[in-house]
Amino acid sequence: DTAVSQTPKYLVTQMGNDKSIKCEQNLGHDTMYWYKQDSKKFLKIMFSYNNKELIINETVPNRFSPKSPDKAHLNLHINSLELGDSAVYFCASSQGSLAELDEQFFGPGTRLTVL
Amino acid sequence: AQSVSQHNHHVILSEAASLELGCNYSYGGTVNLFWYVQYPGQHLQLLLKYFSGDPLVKGIKGFEAEFIKSKFSFNLRKPSVQWSDTAEYFCAVNSGSARQLTFGSGTQLTVLP
Repeated sequence: DTAVSQTPKYLVTQMGNDKSIKCEQNLGHDTMYWYKQDSKKFLKIMFSYNNKELIINETVPNRFSPKSPDKAHLNLHINSLELGDSAVYFCASSQGSLAELDEQFFGPGTRLTVL
Repeated sequence: AQSVSQHNHHVILSEAASLELGCNYSYGGTVNLFWYVQYPGQHLQLLLKYFSGDPLVKGIKGFEAEFIKSKFSFNLRKPSVQWSDTAEYFCAVNSGSARQLTFGSGTQLTVLP
């Protein structure tokens, strides 16, 4: 049983395309996150959702739009992909609304390569 | 704003050597501290966490970390490393005011058999 799952695992696409990454958690958690890990392994939060409501939106281009159809899912849609978007994207979840107090459980990551 | 520094970018050890990875954070108030590990090609997994209480925290796989408030540090230790400990190690912190985890830049540990 995978706690936090992401699809696809690998995504290779051309510049200018629009793509989506899906994330699902079966832990019953209230809060979900998207992180970007660059080529130097630096992890930076992009978004956080609590019960389908956006609570953190870091300085991310508006080409990136998270969508949460329900509290178990947080998908990431990216418009007009650029070379600099190439990275590994991790989804995570944590229990409760006070996200800062909880351990976060991470998905396996999606390696996005923009050509 | 909170920040996290991991000064060791790459550490190479032989099996059975002792390990200490440094982590310093910048926030002066109450903090929650975490160490995560990322094995090659895998997702991040929690090694240990500190919220309150005993500043010496024991985690999985024989790892421990000590919270020293006066030094703003949360160093990770293991008395005897194994080849299977080869991974990237991330320190992370959040404070009461910042509703997010801030990660350090990571330390790549390579254990030679």
